Amino acid sequence: AQSVTQLGSHVSVSEGALVLLRCNYSSSVPPYLFWYVQYPNQGLQLLLKYTTGATLVKGINGFEAEFKKSETSFHLTKPSAHMSDAAEYFCAVSDRSGAGSYQLTFGKGTKLSVIP
Amino acid sequence: DAGVIQSPRHEVTEMGQEVTLRCKPISGHNSLFWYRQTMMRGLELLIYFNNNVPIDDSGMPEDRFSAKMPNASFSTLKIQPSEPRDSAVYFCASSPGFSGGQETQYFGPGTRLLVL
Repeated sequence: AQSVTQLGSHVSVSEGALVLLRCNYSSSVPPYLFWYVQYPNQGLQLLLKYTTGATLVKGINGFEAEFKKSETSFHLTKPSAHMSDAAEYFCAVSDRSGAGSYQLTFGKGTKLSVIP
Repeated sequence: DAGVIQSPRHEVTEMGQEVTLRCKPISGHNSLFWYRQTMMRGLELLIYFNNNVPIDDSGMPEDRFSAKMPNASFSTLKIQPSEPRDSAVYFCASSPGFSGGQETQYFGPGTRLLVL
């Protein structure tokens, strides 16, 4: 069974500082990897995903993530935090071993606070 | 584009009552997912459908929960009888349903359920 670990349930950064949110997965076969964002009282929205090809993936709102197979990681970064980035971020994985497997397994989430 | 539509957005009910949550997926999407989000357990997949057929309901907590998808544009999640521990935010999501686990899931705004 796959699992996702997000280090740090809460992360605080100053406006303009680097954002780094950590995600590690546990799977015998590297899965598909996703980052979703949830703003207060809203549903989840895709930030970016890695399926194949280039391991550095760029997403919306200036975020990017790098798939590192050797470290089983998919950390999310943004060079300069903005107040509007305050939200909860979820790392998720899905199985690439079967075409019929659509299930996402989510991490517990990391709440990002941005300090003015 | 309307996105995934859920109703009601908020529901307050008393223990023992029947609760029905509704979802309209994005037109043309063939996969539909029901999730539950709580502080303690995070985001959990309850059930998912492909082409209106339930594929995996192993996440449904117990027999009090049931889900149906009578057609491609409508799904319900029913709790009967409801209990206070069912209080959570319930999300519906849909995806195109052709490419397996690499697909983006599009989430609705959620239904916030409170069982007194």
